[in-house]
Amino acid sequence: EAQVTQNPRYLITVTGKKLTVTCSQNMNHEYMSWYRQDPGLGLRQIYYSMNVEVTDKGDVPEGYKVSRKEKRNFPLILESPSPNQTSLYFCASRLGRTSEAFFGQGTRLTVV
Amino acid sequence: QQPVQSPQAVILREGEDAVINCSSSKALYSVHWYRQKHGEAPVFLMILLKGGEQKGHDKISASFNEKKQQSSLYLTASQLSYSGTYFCGTVSGTYKYIFGTGTRLKVLA
Repeated sequence: EAQVTQNPRYLITVTGKKLTVTCSQNMNHEYMSWYRQDPGLGLRQIYYSMNVEVTDKGDVPEGYKVSRKEKRNFPLILESPSPNQTSLYFCASRLGRTSEAFFGQGTRLTVV
Repeated sequence: QQPVQSPQAVILREGEDAVINCSSSKALYSVHWYRQKHGEAPVFLMILLKGGEQKGHDKISASFNEKKQQSSLYLTASQLSYSGTYFCGTVSGTYKYIFGTGTRLKVLA
């Protein structure tokens, strides 16, 4: 089944404790992105990747890191999480430049 | 900059129609529409690739006016299942993919 898999679905952590949210797609898509969703602010892009080893900042990259060492995986790293990073996070992938986005199930992160 | 959607929110009775607009300050080369149920991932509805294109899916259709840099989503004879938040999505620049500000739609029985 074609899908984008995110883990974990829910995470509660403490300020400053490094964490990684994984994202994997099995559709051989070129493009992958991370978004955060906050009430009233819609979906804001954090980082995106156009191919292996090629990434770029989105609109809200501060406090986040990403890597794309393999085509299928695009982990999101929070080196030192803070409470303002509490949010619902989505990973998405696309086949080509004008293709639609396929989303992972989402990760609800709470930083206390 | 995010495309701006209007209205921000709308409440309908079952069977009523609604129109959701997506306007961009930059050129639109393609537009996608998504629906998101609360707490779930957005789900793709349809794609419009070129100006003047219109598409339909059951009682949901969309149009794309490339010159006006806008797209509209039409929901006809709305059903309870149409409730959710609707987003337009589009490519910004060469590779970046962004979403509109969103429209919350609630259909009442």
